Amino acid sequence: GPKVLQIPSHQIIDMGQMVTLNCDPVSNHLYFYWYKQILGQQMEFLVNFYNGKVMEKSKLFKDQFSVERPDGSYFTLKIQPTALEDSAVYFCASSSDSSGNTLYFGEGSRLIVV
Amino acid sequence: GDSVTQTEGQVALSEEDFLTIHCNYSASGYPALFWYVQYPGEGPQFLFRASRDKEKGSSRGFEATYDKGTTSFHLRKASVQESDSAVYYCALGSSNTNKVVFGTGTRLQVLP
Repeated sequence: GPKVLQIPSHQIIDMGQMVTLNCDPVSNHLYFYWYKQILGQQMEFLVNFYNGKVMEKSKLFKDQFSVERPDGSYFTLKIQPTALEDSAVYFCASSSDSSGNTLYFGEGSRLIVV
Repeated sequence: GDSVTQTEGQVALSEEDFLTIHCNYSASGYPALFWYVQYPGEGPQFLFRASRDKEKGSSRGFEATYDKGTTSFHLRKASVQESDSAVYYCALGSSNTNKVVFGTGTRLQVLP
């Protein structure tokens, strides 16, 4: 099926530093999502993005978080500064339509903040 | 807001057993309903979806029927295999918002 690529697959970072998680979505998709999953727990919606703008974000999407997709390249999630509670697996997803359509997920980026 | 409830946190079965994982939703209108499966170390994979009342979705022997009357989309499989061991997520795509909401997930363990 369609592939979403995420880089890096894992990263260890010192608390307070900045991290950027990269997502290469399915080529003809227009809607992009980030979800957060703490080990063994459920998938929690962070944000979705369309046409260069954030459409909706959850309470988990703190002020330290930002997303962008400059010039149609990677869809990125930036956390600056990071906190210990940001340790989780972050999943990127894309779809060809809005929430009524199917999401295709990447393999996740495991972030460990120490 | 829109939400999805999965009552079983974990299910343990033997091979060839019948599987039911319950999913109930709360939303206005006719949301799209999905089942996703997540294997260890991977992202969730789309299993199937249904978009209207009485529509049945199915894939790989799994099936679920959209029931607006009981606001349910229960996952069933007649005969599970060890390879079906994974976490199963019911999800809802709201027609009013732009996000897809996931349930808490059900961990299925199938013993040989």
